[in-house]
Amino acid sequence: AQKVTQAQTEISVVEKEDVTLDCVYETRDTTYYLFWYKQPPSGELVFLIRRNSFDEQNEISGRYSWNFQKSTSSFNFTITASQVVDSAVYFCALRVTTRRRALTFGSGTRLQVQP
Amino acid sequence: NAGVTQTPKFQVLKTGQSMTLQCAQDMNHEYMSWYRQDPGMGLRLIHYSVGAGITDQGEVPNGYNVSRSTTEDFPLRLLSAAPSQTSVYFCASSGTALYGYTFGSGTRLTVV
Repeated sequence: AQKVTQAQTEISVVEKEDVTLDCVYETRDTTYYLFWYKQPPSGELVFLIRRNSFDEQNEISGRYSWNFQKSTSSFNFTITASQVVDSAVYFCALRVTTRRRALTFGSGTRLQVQP
Repeated sequence: NAGVTQTPKFQVLKTGQSMTLQCAQDMNHEYMSWYRQDPGMGLRLIHYSVGAGITDQGEVPNGYNVSRSTTEDFPLRLLSAAPSQTSVYFCASSGTALYGYTFGSGTRLTVV
């Protein structure tokens, strides 16, 4: 079975601070995909990034960066110079390519960025 | 291109009533799923489908039925609504395992 743990329930920062959201996953599959989704106050789920299990390169997209470490089964998400618009709930998710081909989500981290 | 369309957006049911949440996608995606979102619990998988005619149970299937007669549609049926089914329901679709799921805008269901 798959499991995704987001231990941080809620984080509050002041604008322009850097913040890291943690994600730890469990799976016995050797091929899998990791995702981050953003859920703003309006409620929709917005896809941010996908990473496959064979690619451990870190990725940077503007103020967002992701650190994938297979050795610790972690896929952490850092927002640099946070902005009020980053306030949202962020979900980490895992998808395997065998058996259940749907997403397993973590419980989410609510990020509040104060002006 | 509409993506994933869910209807209705809001619904109030009385305990014991039945209803169907509709989900349609126009991207010719094989994979479709239903999730429910409850505070502090993330999104939990109810049922999923890997193609027309093929469905399977997720983590929390009790009280829900699905069918997939076409590639485009994946309705979720509540057989006899209970207050514990008060939640926000999301439908999602995906082309292959390489990609993430595209989500609908959600249905907020209240059972009284």
